[in-house]
Amino acid sequence: GAGVSQSPSNKVTEKGKDVELRCDPISGHTALYWYRQSLGQGLEFLIYFQGNSAPDKSGLPSDRFSAERTGGSVSTLTIQRTQQEDSAVYLCASSFFISGGVTDTQYFGPGTRLTVL
Amino acid sequence: KQEVTQIPAALSVPEGENLVLNCSFTDSAIYNLQWFRQDPGKGLTSLLLIQSSQREQTSGRLNASLDKSSGRSTLYIAASQPGDSATYLCAVRPGSQGNLIFGKGTKLSVKP
Repeated sequence: GAGVSQSPSNKVTEKGKDVELRCDPISGHTALYWYRQSLGQGLEFLIYFQGNSAPDKSGLPSDRFSAERTGGSVSTLTIQRTQQEDSAVYLCASSFFISGGVTDTQYFGPGTRLTVL
Repeated sequence: KQEVTQIPAALSVPEGENLVLNCSFTDSAIYNLQWFRQDPGKGLTSLLLIQSSQREQTSGRLNASLDKSSGRSTLYIAASQPGDSATYLCAVRPGSQGNLIFGKGTKLSVKP
């Protein structure tokens, strides 16, 4: 079946502009995660959604970052007033549900490379 | 605060060698530990997931072990091949959260 897809694959924007990044999780997966990977840094957790529960936003670096998940499926990560330090690869992942067991395996999309000039 | 460390940061071996990648974490209260590989410019591919109650998992030439009390995991790759060249990432799921905390990875190069 189809894996996690993300769009766009690359995004170049000017400092101060807003950007939206999209993630389509694997069908049936109830948990969705956003991470970012900066050059020389590890993967950094941003936010995750589980079913209809309120999202865990504890990893968002500032209030310029927000995300929503519509209909329990597609998610959009929005970065307002982008800064150069926002340049990174933004990765989305989904899992069947959060249980601690094998169904907890997270499947990652190919990422969106964001460059802020 | 949970921290994940991977050693070495980079490793180069000749084809056919068996090798071990190391991962350590500071807080033993984890739900599970996952190993991923990342190819250049690509997303992550899940290799193995070890639940907190398990000691090891095997998939083909890969074997991952978990010693939760000492905060360590190893990924053993048998009979390495050039196609194994990638960055290998270790990640733990903390007990109280659903997200993963990642190490910075080990970049593996297998020479023909």
